[in-house]
Amino acid sequence: DAKTTQPPSMDCAEGRAANLPCNHSTISGNEYVYWYRQIHSQGPQYIIHGLKNNETNEMASLIITEDRKSSTLILPHATLRDTAVYYCIVRVDGANNLFFGTGTRLTVIP
Amino acid sequence: DVKVTQSSRYLVKRTGEKVFLECVQDMDHENMFWYRQDPGLGLRLIYFSYDVKMKEKGDIPEGYSVSREKKERFSLILESASTNQTSMYLCASSRETIFYGYTFGSGTRLTVV
Repeated sequence: DAKTTQPPSMDCAEGRAANLPCNHSTISGNEYVYWYRQIHSQGPQYIIHGLKNNETNEMASLIITEDRKSSTLILPHATLRDTAVYYCIVRVDGANNLFFGTGTRLTVIP
Repeated sequence: DVKVTQSSRYLVKRTGEKVFLECVQDMDHENMFWYRQDPGLGLRLIYFSYDVKMKEKGDIPEGYSVSREKKERFSLILESASTNQTSMYLCASSRETIFYGYTFGSGTRLTVV
């Protein structure tokens, strides 16, 4: 699976949009981009995934650049409960496991 | 609400003991996984299973074994616990195709003394 690079930490003001970047410059054409988050003392939670097109669900939006070498997870109105470690993962379709890096620790500030 | 349940939240064991970590899922998922999580190292895959009685080594299988006798249950076994196996252990499951991702349990924090 392609390696991903994320900043180790970020802060965001409550109510503002949180934009979490991820670089995956070696991504292959059949690799999907996944985002998970892990709130303290809990297991990771699936957020969203995409291949080429931008995606949106009730939790977040995923913006993937046209060359697919980077992506951004957007939490439109961050709340204190969004404080967590966010993992960006790329995976080949059909692969059975995910490789989690060290992620970005997002702190939402009141 | 779908669930992955890990039998213990906290566990303290002595060096040399045989340790069983149990994981049960109620989603009829084919795939199950065991990860360990350590500060600065992220999550690392120990073993996974894509069917009953089937298992595959992950990135760090040394010192561990697994058992999957029933579809819903995946056990991680530390044959002889050592202090470097002190960690947070996370179980996850997914459908046969993991397109929609994993569901994780809440984790077991194991301390080996």
